[in-house]
Amino acid sequence: NAGVTQTPKFRVLKTGQSMTLLCAQDMNHEYMYWYRQDPGMGLRLIHYSVGEGTTAKGEVPDGYNVSRLKKQNFLLGLESAAPSQTSVYFCASSPPGGFAQHFGDGTRLSIL
Amino acid sequence: AQTVTQSQPEMSVQEAETVTLSCTYDTSENNYYLFWYKQPPSRQMILVIRQEAYKQQNATENRFSVNFQKAAKSFSLKISDSQLGDTAMYFCAFMTLNRDDKIIFGKGTRLHILP
Repeated sequence: NAGVTQTPKFRVLKTGQSMTLLCAQDMNHEYMYWYRQDPGMGLRLIHYSVGEGTTAKGEVPDGYNVSRLKKQNFLLGLESAAPSQTSVYFCASSPPGGFAQHFGDGTRLSIL
Repeated sequence: AQTVTQSQPEMSVQEAETVTLSCTYDTSENNYYLFWYKQPPSRQMILVIRQEAYKQQNATENRFSVNFQKAAKSFSLKISDSQLGDTAMYFCAFMTLNRDDKIIFGKGTRLHILP
């Protein structure tokens, strides 16, 4: 049972570099979400998607872009990484209708 | 705007004891869902329990149960017969129906189960 898979699991970047985090789900879920988790802050929503080809901003979208070209994949991009983006990033997916979100194992990203 | 407050940043209890984690939320909505998620040191986010606001009956899952007080906007989690494997960060979460199922998380309670 793969569920929600995030790649990579760890990454270190230098300030100004770009990178893309990949989230893939095999549960045919319509909804997908990207969160960041910082100490003492809980999880905060960055961007989300309610279907293939659609995306929307969450609580903390600045500095990030997303794309959902295929239903099963949701990509999170950092165009010019900043130290403030050092965090653990979680992807989640769910069917519509108030169901719990299923989470990936997270990506630890450090920006030097 | 909806908010979720967990007033206990950290708690410790002895193994086999019962512990209650507090959560309050603020909303003007009537239809919503509430969740408790567990995050052990492995970093995985694991669903513990889900409560539908229109149901008066409190949700239970084995040793985990909730005390849902809709009027008071309170949603506490009770863990009975606590085990070492219950050591984790616990997040209370709120979802408004028909708002793209976005979840708002509390800041978490770190729970230590002591041997």
